[in-house]
Formats: sequence, structure tokens, C-alpha cells
Amino acid sequence: DQQVKQNSPSLSVQEGRISILNCDYTNSMFDYFLWYKKYPAEGPTFLISISSIKDKNEDGRFTVFLNKSAKHLSLHIVPSQPGDSAVYFCAASATFLTGNQFYFGTGTSLTVIP
Amino acid sequence: DGGITQSPKYLFRKEGQNVTLSCEQNLNHDAMYWYRQDPGQGLRLIYYSQIVNDFQKGDIAEGYSVSREKKESFPLTVTSAQKNPTAFYLCASSIKGGSSYEQYFGPGTRLTVT
Repeated sequence: DQQVKQNSPSLSVQEGRISILNCDYTNSMFDYFLWYKKYPAEGPTFLISISSIKDKNEDGRFTVFLNKSAKHLSLHIVPSQPGDSAVYFCAASATFLTGNQFYFGTGTSLTVIP
Repeated sequence: DGGITQSPKYLFRKEGQNVTLSCEQNLNHDAMYWYRQDPGQGLRLIYYSQIVNDFQKGDIAEGYSVSREKKESFPLTVTSAQKNPTAFYLCASSIKGGSSYEQYFGPGTRLTVT
């Protein structure tokens, strides 16, 4: 039962253009969302997060948008750089769920073409 | 230089043998986690610990055991009862065990059981 879904396994973007990675979730109790970036043979590194009380959070080239009614979040990377090529995971959690558990999507592999 | 270390990076075992994966952190984090990643799937939580000498099962705890005798260490034992132990295992920690605290990941251990 995949509560967090990333329906695009891969994405290719030209350097300098915008990368948009999407994530959908099913549990309306989720109230905290994160994006992680993962290079091969390494653990994921935290990128950006957003609380459900916001609909946008920005950090440099990275912006996360949250649409609670659609249960959808997206990560925008502008401008995209070759070093952004990695697998991106979204994750969600709910304050009142037992276990403080994060649920992860299956990841989207982003390739930024120089 | 604070971080999370996992050793070894690659581990090979024969079927029927128990194996213990190491996870150490010097971030002074209270909470620690073990995840498993399989191809085409998101990270799935095996066990987590919010405080020394206490730990809780995640979604896929069957066939695994953990201990948390020290704040810095959270070893995972993959027992012979685990039906499909071959996977990439990730350890993570967070300042506290709440759902709004991002998790920091180690580099992972790839376990192959034949």
C-alpha cells in the first residue's frame, strides 16, 4: 500500500531549464513533507521540507509547492544544473500517526543534460 | 566532522546465517532508524529508536532485530528468518523522534545473501 507515489521514474531536462518533480499522497493526515536527493551508492541527503500550513517553501534554486486539496506536492529546480542529476525521493509524515514514521516515494531519477 | 557511518559498504553472506549491520552516529541525535530499499520501491522502515534502550517495529520488522544500548549506535541484525534479505540497507538519525525532524542518512550497506 504505497501512500506516497512518484509516478515518473525518470526525467531528463536541459541545463538551465526548470526541472519539476511530482509527488502524490493518499493519506490526508500527512502534515509534513520532505524531499531528499540521492546519488548512487550514497545515502539520501535532505533537500527541502514543507509543513502543511504552508503552500510554498523556497530555498535557493529549490522550491517545493504543496496542494493539499489535490494531495500533491512538487519540487521545482531552477535553473537545473548537471550536478542536480540524482534520484529524488519525496517523503511524508503525520504528527498524530504512531511511530513518527516517514513514508517515502519510489523516487524519480533526474538527468540534467549539459 | 559529524555524520553517520555504516559498515561495511558491501556484505555477502550465505543463506541461513545471521548478519549484523553497523550504524554509528556522532551527531548527538536521539532518534535512529533502519530502512530497506529494494529496486523500484521507496524506503521502507524496519525499526526505529527514539531513545536509548527503547525501539519500535516499523512496517517490515519480521526477520530483523535491533538493539540500542548506546545513543551513538543502532546495529541491525538480519536473521535467517528474513525471507528476502538481499537489499540496500540505510540507517538514519534525527535530532528527536518527532515527525517534523528531518532524518540524516548514512551511506548504506548493500547486503547480498546467496
